[in-house]
Amino acid sequence: SQQGEEDPQALSIQEGENATMNCSYKTSINNLQWYRQNSGRGLVHLILIRSNEREKHSGRLRVTLDTSKKSSSLLITASRAADTASYFCATDESGTSYGKLTFGQGTILTVHP
Amino acid sequence: NAGVTQTPKFQVLKTGQSMTLQCAQDMNHEYMSWYRQDPGMGLRLIHYSVGAGITDQGEVPNGYNVSRSTTEDFPLRLLSAAPSQTSVYFCASSYREGRPQHFGDGTRLSIL
Repeated sequence: SQQGEEDPQALSIQEGENATMNCSYKTSINNLQWYRQNSGRGLVHLILIRSNEREKHSGRLRVTLDTSKKSSSLLITASRAADTASYFCATDESGTSYGKLTFGQGTILTVHP
Repeated sequence: NAGVTQTPKFQVLKTGQSMTLQCAQDMNHEYMSWYRQDPGMGLRLIHYSVGAGITDQGEVPNGYNVSRSTTEDFPLRLLSAAPSQTSVYFCASSYREGRPQHFGDGTRLSIL
C-alpha cells in the first residue's frame, strides 16, 4: 500500500491564487520530499524537509511537516499557468533498508490563465 | 548534462516476449531505482540498487529482473511480458539512498 496519501486528488485554480496540497503518511520518516511531474515527463524534485524540521521555503514553495500528525503540506503561492502539473509527496521511511522512497498517488493541479 | 537517460521512449510488445529497458546516468550516483506508474496508483518501486553489484527487490518485483554491473547502467528486464505490465516505467538515481532522486523521462510500454 502507498505510504503517502495526497489530498485533494485534483485542484483547479486561477492564475495568481495560492494552491495547497496535503500529504499524510503512516510510519516514522527520515525526510519527506515533494516532486512535480509535467505531462509526459519524469518527476522533478522540488524540496526536501527533514523529520526535525517544521517548515521550509524555496521560492514560491512553502512546505510544512507535522510529524505528530504524520502530515505535510505544500503551498504554491501566486500560482502560474506553468505550475500546472501533478505533485507527489514521497517519504524516506526510517528503519527500512537503504532508504527507499515511497510515493503518494499525487495531486493534479490545473492553473487557469 | 544528460542526467538520467532511458531508452526506448515507447515500446509495444506481444504477450510472452522479453525485452530490456535501458537506463543510464552520468552523475556518478550510487543509488538507482526502477518504478512503474499506473493511473491512480502513483509510483511503485520495482527494484533498486545501492551500488554496482548490489540489487534488491522493491514493492512489485515479480516478472522483472535487474543487474548492476557498472555505476552508470541499471537495465530492467521483462522476462515474459504480460498485459498487466503495461505501464510507464521510470528510472531514477540519487547520490545515496533516501536523497532527492533524478528521474528519466520514462518508457511507455504496451503489452498486447
